[in-house]
Order: sequence, then C-alpha cells, then structure tokens
Amino acid sequence: SQQGEEDPQALSIQEGENATMNCSYKTSINNLQWYRQNSGRGLVHLILIRSNEREKHSGRLRVTLDTSKKSSSLLITASRAADTASYFCATDDRGSNDYKLSFGAGTTVTVRA
Amino acid sequence: ETGVTQSPTHLIKTRGQQVTLRCSSQSGHNTVSWYQQALGQGPQFIFQYYREEENGRGNFPPRFSGLQFPNYSSELNVNALELDDSALYLCASRRVHATDTQYFGPGTRLTVL
Repeated sequence: SQQGEEDPQALSIQEGENATMNCSYKTSINNLQWYRQNSGRGLVHLILIRSNEREKHSGRLRVTLDTSKKSSSLLITASRAADTASYFCATDDRGSNDYKLSFGAGTTVTVRA
Repeated sequence: ETGVTQSPTHLIKTRGQQVTLRCSSQSGHNTVSWYQQALGQGPQFIFQYYREEENGRGNFPPRFSGLQFPNYSSELNVNALELDDSALYLCASRRVHATDTQYFGPGTRLTVL
C-alpha cells in the first residue's frame, strides 16, 4: 500500500506561473523527499526535508512540512516547459529501520508554453 | 546523472520465464534498494540489500529475489513471470545508517507478454 497521497493528480499551468502540489502521509516519518520523473524514466531527487524542519528552499523549489497534519507541499515558482513531469513525495517510516521509501501516486504537471 | 546505472534499458519476456536485472550503485553507497513502478502508479518497495544480505522486504512474493555483490552492485531476479510483473524496475542506492537521499537509476522497463 502507498503511504503518501499527492494532490492534485494532474495540474496544467502556463509557463511562468507557479505550481503547487500537496502530499499527505499516514505514519510518523524521519524525512520527506520530493522526486521528479520524466516520461517513465528514473526518479530525480529534488529536495529532502527532515521531520524537524518546517520549510526548505532549493532554487525555484519551496517545500513545507507540517508533521502535525502529516502533510507537505511543493511549490515550483516561475514554471518552465522543462518542469513538465510527474512529481512524487516519498516518506520513510520512523518505526522502521530499513529506511524504505513509500511513494504516493504522483502529480502530473504540464507546463504550457 | 546520479551515478546509479541499470541494465538492460528494456526487456521483453513471456509469461513463465525468468529475468535478471542489474544495478550498479553510486560510488560510496553500500545499500541498494529495488522498487517496482507499474504504469500510472508510484514506485513500490521490493527489498533492500546491505552487506550482501537482504535486510528489508516489501509485500512481494518469494519469486522476487536479489543479490548484492562485494562491489555493491546488485541483481533483481524474478521467476515464473506473470503479466502483472510488467513495470519499470528501479534501483536506488544510499549510504547505510544515513537517513538521507536515495539516488535512483534510470530503470529497466520489463514487458511480460
């Protein structure tokens, strides 16, 4: 079963606009990570936020984490056509010591030129 | 580029056959995990290897097995292939005892006819 759930399932925006997607999870976690996947290829790591952090930035990416609500958001600012991809959040279960990642079904983002 | 490589890129097999997929971990990473990603879904954890032993397993039957070699490369073996085994198979490597990023390879696309 999948731990995380991304929302929305799909998002279509104009180039230059911001894209926001959300992730909810069920168990206590060590970290939450966001990955990007282009056209069914490998996953590219975007950003990791630890359970004691609330916000993190990396370039045009901003991630927030609310452990009380078991949720995270990923904001991509000033989107570009190259941002077209599927985005996944992944969590590792604090109760487990194997650090396996549990993924949601992803948000498919389309950036229109 | 993550430094994690996988082979082959694509593979077509028929039901009942056996398949071996290969992964070469990123330098310095001694833990490797395998994930199965069905079309339109997020990756699902299969198992993890550390020091050539399996030390974590997801909800997959015993016909999914693996090996890790002293150079930290790894194999995923699937026996008695079923149609539902058609998926993208991803391997990921990381440093052990580090709650940090897992780096994914480009994946092997397996089609079972």
